[in-house]
Amino acid sequence: DTGVSQNPRHKITKRGQNVTFRCDPISEHNRLYWYRQTLGQGPEFLTYFQNEAQLEKSRLLSDRFSAERPKGSFSTLEIQRTEQGDSAMYLCASSLGRNQPQHFGDGTRLSIL
Amino acid sequence: QKEVEQDPGPLSVPEGAIVSLNCTYSNSAFQYFMWYRQYSRKGPELLMYTYSSGNKEDGRFTAQVDKSSKYISLFIRDSQPSDSATYLCAGGDFGNEKLTFGTGTRLTIIP
Repeated sequence: DTGVSQNPRHKITKRGQNVTFRCDPISEHNRLYWYRQTLGQGPEFLTYFQNEAQLEKSRLLSDRFSAERPKGSFSTLEIQRTEQGDSAMYLCASSLGRNQPQHFGDGTRLSIL
Repeated sequence: QKEVEQDPGPLSVPEGAIVSLNCTYSNSAFQYFMWYRQYSRKGPELLMYTYSSGNKEDGRFTAQVDKSSKYISLFIRDSQPSDSATYLCAGGDFGNEKLTFGTGTRLTIIP
């Protein structure tokens, strides 16, 4: 199965540390999206890429968050100086094109001690 | 008011029953809709997507969209215990690329 792959599946870190997550989209998909999901809520949009270009960022994406997709393939999401409120599931999705169905990975669960 | 409202449940139905899951939305710009199924500690799995009003059927699943009343539904026929999961509805508009999700409805199918 060549679906969306996310690593690590679970990250535990202390408050104030930096963390980085990786997402590998479905190979032919040029769109890549990041969402955040907290317990009992639906996913909330963070940002998306068309190839290597980051085209939209939610206001949820504070200055401590940065995302890259350097070669238009995999993407990384980095959170600097983590806070308790950053604890959530970070989901990555990809799609074939504009407004096409988005396919999600199984996410990275971030726990802040 | 959230742009997509969804009853969080929980909803419990006996095996074999028809399940009806519903969402309402307030954003008139939404032009396409998706239904996802999410098992515990897993990512959302795409079930259905539709770009127009009316019904769309795929196996045991039927998605229904009524844009005039801003109401979307997912029907599951011959429900199975493996259908027990959280079901998320989402809307999108052609002006941007993000999906806006409801909170999800937790469904349990009782054998």
